[in-house]
Amino acid sequence: GQNIDQPTEMTATEGAIVQINCTYQTSGFNGLFWYQQHAGEAPTFLSYNVLDGLEEKGRFSSFLSRSKGYSYLLLKELQMKDSASYLCAVMDSNYQLIWGAGTKLIIKP
Amino acid sequence: ETGVTQTPRHLVMGMTNKKSLKCEQHLGHNAMYWYKQSAKKPLELMFVYSLEERVENNSVPSRFSPECPNSSHLFLHLHTLQPEDSALYLCASSQDMQTRGGEKLFFGSGTQLSVL
Repeated sequence: GQNIDQPTEMTATEGAIVQINCTYQTSGFNGLFWYQQHAGEAPTFLSYNVLDGLEEKGRFSSFLSRSKGYSYLLLKELQMKDSASYLCAVMDSNYQLIWGAGTKLIIKP
Repeated sequence: ETGVTQTPRHLVMGMTNKKSLKCEQHLGHNAMYWYKQSAKKPLELMFVYSLEERVENNSVPSRFSPECPNSSHLFLHLHTLQPEDSALYLCASSQDMQTRGGEKLFFGSGTQLSVL
């Protein structure tokens, strides 16, 4: 079967750095997405990786290793507004999106 | 504001009621989706429409009935629901069907549904 694993919940301190991991086992691979979802709000697109390596967008970076079936989302200089759930999703060989259950990130002052 | 609007935001219904969820996208996209989001579970794709044609129905019970009258509007008609159907129902759109990589989704804020 197809599976995406990510931690259920993480806690970090304002101003610090946090890394949210995502591992996947899917039938083929056509890219990996990260979405951010604040409580009661719409998920919003953060990043898309299809090649190995690190992609940086301001305070957020996303890394992919296809050989290891592994990605992480790195958040730097954490702010209170970064408290949200982070959803990892992989597009398989049939272009179906396989979703993880999400990681709830709690930022403490 | 993501350009996708869902109404109502909250809905409480009895098991014998009939109600409808509405979604409208202002982005000029060609594909629209219904997802179910339950607490601590992955998003479940329910239906996919491309250019107003249903292209996917992921074994969803017939008590959920989608309708796409045009490329900007999507409805989910609900009848004789069960308590386990209580969840957040998210609508999403994308420029085109995800038949190639990188096609990102734009989500609405969802309808929080409670079935009593």
